[in-house]
Amino acid sequence: AQTVTQSQPEMSVQEAETVTLSCTYDTSESDYYLFWYKQPPSRQMILVIRQEAYKQQNATENRFSVNFQKAAKSFSLKISDSQLGDAAMYFCAYWVPNAGGTSYGKLTFGQGTILTVHP
Amino acid sequence: DAGITQSPRHKVTETGTPVTLRCHQTENHRYMYWYRQDPGHGLRLIHYSYGVKDTDKGEVSDGYSVSRSKTEDFLLTLESATSSQTSVYFCAMGGSYNEQFFGPGTRLTVL
Repeated sequence: AQTVTQSQPEMSVQEAETVTLSCTYDTSESDYYLFWYKQPPSRQMILVIRQEAYKQQNATENRFSVNFQKAAKSFSLKISDSQLGDAAMYFCAYWVPNAGGTSYGKLTFGQGTILTVHP
Repeated sequence: DAGITQSPRHKVTETGTPVTLRCHQTENHRYMYWYRQDPGHGLRLIHYSYGVKDTDKGEVSDGYSVSRSKTEDFLLTLESATSSQTSVYFCAMGGSYNEQFFGPGTRLTVL
């Protein structure tokens, strides 16, 4: 079974500083995708960044970047120049197509990391 | 995502009553999903749909049923609500690059 582990229940960062959120996953699949979602107090789930497992290059979206270590099954999110609006719960998620013979790709979430940004 | 909405956004009901949550999307996505979010569990899949009238169970489907009569609508029904079904429910639709886009969520309280 696929599992996603976020070992940091809470993290904090000063405004304008950099913070890294950790995520590890367990899989025997070779074809999969990894995502980071942000959930602010409004509860809306917002896609932050996506990484395809077959790509060696780490994904980057403006101030957000990932460190994808496929052999170590690690997928951390780095937020640079942190802003007050970055404060939210962050979820790491793993997607594998046609998991277990189902007709859809199974998306598995970690438990989340609460990020606090201090002014 | 602006292309997916949920109704109602909040609901309080009593144990034993039926409840239906509605998800509506305007993006013509084939895949739609219902999740529940509880503290310490992240999001867990209840049911999903891969087309009109094509649905299947997720990991926490007991006590829930779904229907999809049109591409744009995906309904989640609690036939007889229980207190353990108090949760925040999210609908999602499949994206072009395997990501999912989520609705705003429905907070359901079963007394």
